[in-house]
Amino acid sequence: AQSVAQPEDQVNVAEGNPLTVKCTYSVSGNPYLFWYVQYPNRGLQFLLKYITGDNLVKGSYGFEAEFNKSQTSFHLKKPSALVSDSALYFCAVSLQFSGNTPLVFGKGTRLSVIA
Amino acid sequence: GAGVSQSPSNKVTEKGKDVELRCDPISGHTALYWYRQSLGQGLEFLIYFQGNSAPDKSGLPSDRFSAERTGGSVSTLTIQRTQQEDSAVYLCASSLVGQGRNEQFFGPGTRLTVL
Repeated sequence: AQSVAQPEDQVNVAEGNPLTVKCTYSVSGNPYLFWYVQYPNRGLQFLLKYITGDNLVKGSYGFEAEFNKSQTSFHLKKPSALVSDSALYFCAVSLQFSGNTPLVFGKGTRLSVIA
Repeated sequence: GAGVSQSPSNKVTEKGKDVELRCDPISGHTALYWYRQSLGQGLEFLIYFQGNSAPDKSGLPSDRFSAERTGGSVSTLTIQRTQQEDSAVYLCASSLVGQGRNEQFFGPGTRLTVL
């Protein structure tokens, strides 16, 4: 069965500093990996995904994530954090099939960017 | 419409009552998903529809939960005899189907409170 771990409930970072939100996964096959962001009282917004190919994936709002197969990780990064990046971030995984499968989500990491 | 819509946005009900939650997916998206977001529990998969295939109901927590999707578009999630532990935000998502096309787009959710 697939699972996703986000080891940090909360990440605090100063504005302008680089940020990392960690994610590790466990699947019995090739994964699709996703990051979503949730702002207060809003639905989840898609940030980026890894399907295949280049291990470094670039997404919305200057975020990027690196797929590391040996470490089964897909950490989210941004070189310079903004206060507006403060939100709840979810990592998710599904299996690569010809069809679609539901996402398995981590429990989320709350990012707080301090001015 | 441009995105996934859900109604109502908020629902307060008494324990034991039935509730219906509605989801309008993005036009042309053949896959539709229901998730539940509970405080401290992250996102939990409930049910998944794809085209005319039988739905994947493996995430439904009890037989009080059911869902249907009429005409391959609108979906309704029904919770019978609601319990206080059903209180959560219910999120609907839709996606295209196929390799590399399966990022899910989420609606704003329905916040259900069972008194």
